[in-house]
Amino acid sequence: GENVEQHPSTLSVQEGDSAVIKCTYSDSASNYFPWYKQELGKRPQLIIDIRSNVGEKKDQRIAVTLNKTAKHFSLHITETQPEDSAVYFCAASVGPALIFGKGTTLSVSS
Amino acid sequence: ETGVTQTPRHLVMGMTNKKSLKCEQHLGHNAMYWYKQSAKKPLELMFVYSLEERVENNSVPSRFSPECPNSSHLFLHLHTLQPEDSALYLCASSQDGTGGYEQYFGPGTRLTVT
Repeated sequence: GENVEQHPSTLSVQEGDSAVIKCTYSDSASNYFPWYKQELGKRPQLIIDIRSNVGEKKDQRIAVTLNKTAKHFSLHITETQPEDSAVYFCAASVGPALIFGKGTTLSVSS
Repeated sequence: ETGVTQTPRHLVMGMTNKKSLKCEQHLGHNAMYWYKQSAKKPLELMFVYSLEERVENNSVPSRFSPECPNSSHLFLHLHTLQPEDSALYLCASSQDGTGGYEQYFGPGTRLTVT
């Protein structure tokens, strides 16, 4: 079945720096790739998503890139702020389901 | 924040008990999901329902039994659980069951099996 690998598992940056999280997937049929942010004690919430017919998507300080040939996609956060500190999950669609990566704990220090 | 609700928010049960978790979505969605979240496997898919029919059972032990009586409600019936089943159980819903839409999560039920 689908396998989604996410790296790194933890990431520490200084406020204002950029952060990059990378994911790879195995099922070439996957065509939807969302990213979720989960703050401590809260539910996961969608921050950005991309479909297989698009190579890049940007929303203010957040961007996602997709390389379908290599089966990998990445989340880029620029000008990080302390409130960006959270666990970030990537996911890939498989039929009716989303398969999630194991998460990246991002810590932004001021 | 009130689009998907879950009750109870916390549950402590013994290994011989039977309990049920409830999820309700107010978004008009046609697909609902159960996930298990633990330190070992952060977001592990358990069950998928689309238009009240189970379309995916991700090799979950039979001590977990889902029920979807209509597109707005989803239950997870629990019996003879093990301590390793202690985790946060998250419910989610999406527009449909094709996997190509955002999933909205509930706040979760924190389950402790003693």
